[in-house]
Amino acid sequence: QTVVTQEPSLTVSPGGTVTLTCASNTGAVTSGSYPNWFQQKPGQTPRALIYSTSKKHSWTPARFSGSLLGGKAALTLSGVQPEDEAEYYCLLYYRGAWVFGGGTKLTVL
Amino acid sequence: QVQLVQSGAEVKKPGASVKVSCKASGYTFTGYYIHWVRQAPGQGLEWMGWINPKSGGINYGQKFHGRVTMTWDTSISTAYMELNRLRSNDTAVYYCARDTGDMATDYWGQGTLVTVSS
Repeated sequence: QTVVTQEPSLTVSPGGTVTLTCASNTGAVTSGSYPNWFQQKPGQTPRALIYSTSKKHSWTPARFSGSLLGGKAALTLSGVQPEDEAEYYCLLYYRGAWVFGGGTKLTVL
Repeated sequence: QVQLVQSGAEVKKPGASVKVSCKASGYTFTGYYIHWVRQAPGQGLEWMGWINPKSGGINYGQKFHGRVTMTWDTSISTAYMELNRLRSNDTAVYYCARDTGDMATDYWGQGTLVTVSS
C-alpha cells in the first residue's frame, strides 16, 4: 500500500519562504507521479494549486511554486501572506490510483 | 461557468447505503473524468475513484472495492457515488471533482456531508 507523507505542521513568518514536502514509501517521487498540491482553509472546499509537479492553474498566485527536491515533491511559498495559513495536501499518482498525503498545517505567525 | 453541484446532506444508519449526486454544468460532461474524494471530520483527504463518462471506464480505490459503485447519467450531466454497508467511520464530507485531462483536478463540488449513526 502506498503511503504519502507530509510534514504535519510548519510555521512561517509573514513575508518569509517555506517549503512543504511530499514523500512516498515506494521510493523517490518523480514526475511520473504527477504531483498535485491543494490548499484547504477551514470549512472550505480544497483548491487546486499545482499539478504535474510544477504547473500552475490560472488562479494560482505567483508566490506558489512546485518542484522535485531530494526525491520528494515540494511546494514552495515565497513572500508568504497571512491568507496562506491553511492545510496543504499533496496528491500522487501510482499505477492508476491517486493517493493523498496526510496534509501539512501551515501557520503564518 | 463550470459548476459541480452536489446533493444535500444525508444521515444514515450503519449497514445502510447512500447515493450522492454531482450535477455538472458549464462544460461538456463526457469530455472530462470525475473523481470522488472524501474527508472525515478533522481528517485528511482520501481518494475513492474516478469515472470516465465518455469511455465508460471506472477505477475504484482499492480500499473501496466491493463497497462503492460510481455511475453517471450523461443525459442530465450527473455523476453518482453509492457507498454500501455504511459504518460509523464512513462519516465524512464527500466531494466530486473534475479531472482536467492533464493528471489534475480543477473544479470541485461543494461537498456532501454523510453522517452514519445509529
